[in-house]
Amino acid sequence: EIVMTQSPATLSVSPGERATLSCRASQSVSSNLAWYQQKPGQAPRLLIYGASTRATGIPARFSGSGSGTEFTLTISSLQSEDFAVYYCQQYNNWPPLTFGGGTKVQIK
Amino acid sequence: QVQLVESGGGLVKPGGSLRLSCAASGFTFSDYYMSWIRQAPGRGLEWISYISSSGTIYYVDSVKGRFTISRDNAKNSLYLQMNSLRADDTAVYYCARDTGSYFYFDYWGQGTLVTVSS
Repeated sequence: EIVMTQSPATLSVSPGERATLSCRASQSVSSNLAWYQQKPGQAPRLLIYGASTRATGIPARFSGSGSGTEFTLTISSLQSEDFAVYYCQQYNNWPPLTFGGGTKVQIK
Repeated sequence: QVQLVESGGGLVKPGGSLRLSCAASGFTFSDYYMSWIRQAPGRGLEWISYISSSGTIYYVDSVKGRFTISRDNAKNSLYLQMNSLRADDTAVYYCARDTGSYFYFDYWGQGTLVTVSS
């Protein structure tokens, strides 16, 4: 099973600042990595797939990078609606499909 | 528009059973792979089961032998039969649509809460 590790667990950022979230895989997942955003009481929403491709309707301030075992989600200028929990998910080697533990982005 | 609506959650005693349903609309259900994903209170996401459009099925080890995924393409519905429920099965259960080419999820339902407690 591929273990996905996200860091930090919590990130405190001021509105308008850049946020950088990390996701590490226990073995290579190539570029088969997705990012999701989840707000309280809501289902997750797909942000990024293929490590760097934005899903439909996702603003350009969200960008993904990386391949192999190291990945980054960057939010270039945080808006109020971006404060949420973010999860990475690998789909290279499964079952099982595995998610990271999440990074909570909160207001500083 | 794509909609996924789960139902069937509730309170059940340890060792009991529950059947979850997911009603799909806004897309050709029979063409898509589907999964169940759960989230324990205050915890992260855990994929638990997958079914392809042709009926290939996978489970996470923790539910093998206890949970059964199925689909009825004529009814545009996905199901999860859960038996021998344990306290650690307590979670919000989401159905999610696989993109069809790669195994990530482009649409999710709103979730249904399953609570296993005596």
